[in-house]
Amino acid sequence: EDKVVQSPLSLVVHEGDTVTLNCSYEVTNFRSLLWYKQEKKAPTFLFMLTSSGIEKKSGRLSSILDKKELFSILNITATQTGDSAIYLCAAPYGGSQGNLIFGKGTKLSVKP
Amino acid sequence: DGGITQSPKYLFRKEGQNVTLSCEQNLNHDAMYWYRQDPGQGLRLIYYSQIVNDFQKGDIAEGYSVSREKKESFPLTVTSAQKNPTAFYLCASSTHDFSGNTIYFGEGSWLTVV
Repeated sequence: EDKVVQSPLSLVVHEGDTVTLNCSYEVTNFRSLLWYKQEKKAPTFLFMLTSSGIEKKSGRLSSILDKKELFSILNITATQTGDSAIYLCAAPYGGSQGNLIFGKGTKLSVKP
Repeated sequence: DGGITQSPKYLFRKEGQNVTLSCEQNLNHDAMYWYRQDPGQGLRLIYYSQIVNDFQKGDIAEGYSVSREKKESFPLTVTSAQKNPTAFYLCASSTHDFSGNTIYFGEGSWLTVV
């Protein structure tokens, strides 16, 4: 059975801290791994990873995929209160590329 | 502006009543999806449609029904057969040439059944 597992499920840090969010997966015919940020409403796209070892970066956020060990990490440096959100990891599965299997998410709270 | 519109944003219903959630997109996307999210859970796929007049069950289709009579519209009906309908429902759409950032989500609908 395909699955995506995220850890930790929740995390509380202070502004300026660096955090690492984890995502492991077992997906048949793996194609890509996606990271989303969700703040109460619709998830917003962060990264799509398809190749091992190639870091994707956007500002203070970065992510990397390890296809041998079947996991990905999302790093956030110099965290800000605006980073408080649920971070979701997902992977396409089945016949339609838009069908996504999601992890339960990591709820990040950044305290001032 | 292009996007996905879900309505209503908040809905309260009595147990045993059917309720229909609307999802409209003007992105010219072929594929549309319905996901359900429970507190502390990720999103789970209810139904998806890759083309007009065709749709497929996702992982948790029991108690739900959909239709896809128009490319722009993919309404979801939560029937009385759904045992735990209270949840956050998200509609999404994508092109067939899916590349991660081409799946768009609506703002969601909160359904509370009392």
